[in-house]
Amino acid sequence: AQTVTQSQPEMSVQEAETVTLSCTYDTSESDYYLFWYKQPPSRQMILVIRQEAYKQQNATENRFSVNFQKAAKSFSLKISDSQLGDAAMYFCGLNTDKLIFGTGTRLQVFP
Amino acid sequence: EADIYQTPRYLVIGTGKKITLECSQTMGHDKMYWYQQDPGMELHLIHYSYGVNSTEKGDLSSESTVSRIRTEHFPLTLESARPSHTSQYLCASSESGGWNEQFFGPGTRLTVL
Repeated sequence: AQTVTQSQPEMSVQEAETVTLSCTYDTSESDYYLFWYKQPPSRQMILVIRQEAYKQQNATENRFSVNFQKAAKSFSLKISDSQLGDAAMYFCGLNTDKLIFGTGTRLQVFP
Repeated sequence: EADIYQTPRYLVIGTGKKITLECSQTMGHDKMYWYQQDPGMELHLIHYSYGVNSTEKGDLSSESTVSRIRTEHFPLTLESARPSHTSQYLCASSESGGWNEQFFGPGTRLTVL
């Protein structure tokens, strides 16, 4: 069985600062994909960043980057230069043949 | 821009009624999904489909059923709604292959009185 764990229900960060959201997962598959999705208040879920398990290099997308530690089954998201628009629920996802999510982390950004 | 639609957006209904939540996508995606999102925002996969005539149950047991007669359409039906079904239901679609991004609809917020 696949599981995804996000141990931080809520996080907060000051504008322009850096924040890291944690995610651990478990799967017996050797081939899988990891995702971070963002759900702003009352808006649709959108993809933030994704990582292929067989690639050791950490994915980056502008201010968003991941720290992928395959042996530890850890997939954290780092948001640099935080902006007010980054405030949202963030879901970590694991895709083997279907995508499942963790419980989410609510990120607040303070000016 | 992702084109995935859900109707209705909001539904308030009495116990025992039969309801169908509609989901359609215009991207030609093979895979489609239904998630139930609790009031605390946790997302649970309840149904998914690999393509026409394919339906699978997700990780969270659900009394709902789904069908996939056409590629673009993936409706979810509750034969007899109960207050425990009150939740937000999110539909999503993607191309086949684990790398591909899932596109989400705006959701249907269901309240059963």
